[in-house]
Amino acid sequence: QQPVQSPQAVILREGEDAVINCSSSKALYSVHWYRQKHGEAPVFLMILLKGGEQKGHEKISASFNEKKQQSSLYLTASQLSYSGTYFCGTGGGATNKLIFGTGTLLAVQP
Amino acid sequence: GAGVSQSPRYKVAKRGQDVALRCDPISGHVSLFWYQQALGQGPEFLTYFQNEAQLDKSGLPSDRFFAERPEGSVSTLKIQRTQQEDSAVYLCASSLDGGINCTFGSGTRLTVV
Repeated sequence: QQPVQSPQAVILREGEDAVINCSSSKALYSVHWYRQKHGEAPVFLMILLKGGEQKGHEKISASFNEKKQQSSLYLTASQLSYSGTYFCGTGGGATNKLIFGTGTLLAVQP
Repeated sequence: GAGVSQSPRYKVAKRGQDVALRCDPISGHVSLFWYQQALGQGPEFLTYFQNEAQLDKSGLPSDRFFAERPEGSVSTLKIQRTQQEDSAVYLCASSLDGGINCTFGSGTRLTVV
């Protein structure tokens, strides 16, 4: 059961804000956020381990609502370098594997 | 090395041919994962190693896929009798322990013709 991300795609002007949502039909133990640029490796952004936790990474932060089985990624004052596809990955259990979401394509324009 | 290294970067195989994809994880990283990423999709889990032990191979799509990590460092993903549906980017990721803060390699793009 792949987590569903919304929106599928978003276009921003530099300096604008965006929110990317990740919803799972299964209980979440951890949520991992990655950004992948075209033809490159996914790059780890952050992990959230506790319900309701918020973490920050530069101007990118995230929240994790364990009860709602959702996580949201917040990008503020977007920069051109934020462009790429964002994936949430849900983890947990003995094998540590991640189940990646459907992805959100973010394009930041000058 | 500084990052996860995968080779070859690109591989074109004729249908029915066997291929071997190599992953050099970050030195000292205990955990190693293989993922398959189809065009426009998110990575899908294939298999997981902790040191040399393959603890989870539930994502391998068929018995044509085989992975090993005999000395707990370098890993090889082998695909026998390749089919067109095997065309994808194969990503390797490693972490110090478990699935937290994985570093991904740039992947091997496999095209089966």
